[in-house]
Amino acid sequence: QQQVKQSPQSLIVQKGGISIINCAYENTAFDYFPWYQQFPGKGPALLIAIRPDVSEKKEGRFTISFNKSAKQFSLHIMDSQPGDSATYFCAASIAGNQFYFGTGTSLTVIP
Amino acid sequence: GAGVSQSPRYKVTKRGQDVTLRCDPISSHATLYWYQQALGQGPEFLTYFNYEAQPDKSGLPSDRFSAERPEGSISTLTIQRTEQRDSAMYRCASSKGHSSYEQYFGPGTRLTVT
Repeated sequence: QQQVKQSPQSLIVQKGGISIINCAYENTAFDYFPWYQQFPGKGPALLIAIRPDVSEKKEGRFTISFNKSAKQFSLHIMDSQPGDSATYFCAASIAGNQFYFGTGTSLTVIP
Repeated sequence: GAGVSQSPRYKVTKRGQDVTLRCDPISSHATLYWYQQALGQGPEFLTYFNYEAQPDKSGLPSDRFSAERPEGSISTLTIQRTEQRDSAMYRCASSKGHSSYEQYFGPGTRLTVT
C-alpha cells in the first residue's frame, strides 16, 4: 500500500501566489521527511527536508510545515514563479535507509 | 565523481532477455539506493546498500531482480528474463550515509521491454 499519500495531483497557481502541497503518512518509524523537485527528463533533486523534532523549516521561498500528531506535512512555496513549474514529490524515510515517495504533484505557475 | 552517473541511459530489450544496469555513485558516498519510477509516478524503493552490505531487498519486485555492490562503490541492478511490466525508469541515488540522509539522484536508465 502507499506509505505516503500526496495531494493534490496537479496544481495551477498564478505567479506571486502560494503553492501548497500536502502529504500524510502512517508509519511512526519515519524520522526524515524530504521534498524533491523534478523537472522533465531529470532526476529528483532535494529541495528541503525536515526531521520530526521541529514543526517548521524555512529555506528561502520554501517552507515545510510538520504536524507530528496528525502525521501530516506540507510544502509551501511562497511568491511562486514560472521557474518553479515542475513535479514535486514528498517522501519519508526510516533512518535514511528505505525511502517512500508520494505520487507527485505537477505544479504549473502561470505568468 | 561530480555526480551520480548511470549507464546505459536507454535500453531496449526483448522479453525474456537479461539486462544489467550500472550506477556510479558520488565518490565516498556510503549509501546507494535503487528505485523504479513509472511514468507519472514517484520513485519506488527497490533496495539499498551501505558500502557493500545490502541490508534490505524487500522492495525488489521478484527474484528476477538482483543488485550488487561488491566493492562498495559501483553497483549493478540485473533483471533476468525481462517482462514487459519491467519497462520503467530505473534510478540510482547515493548519500553520505551515517546521519546524513541527503540523496543525490542519477539521470536514470529508461528500460523498454518489447
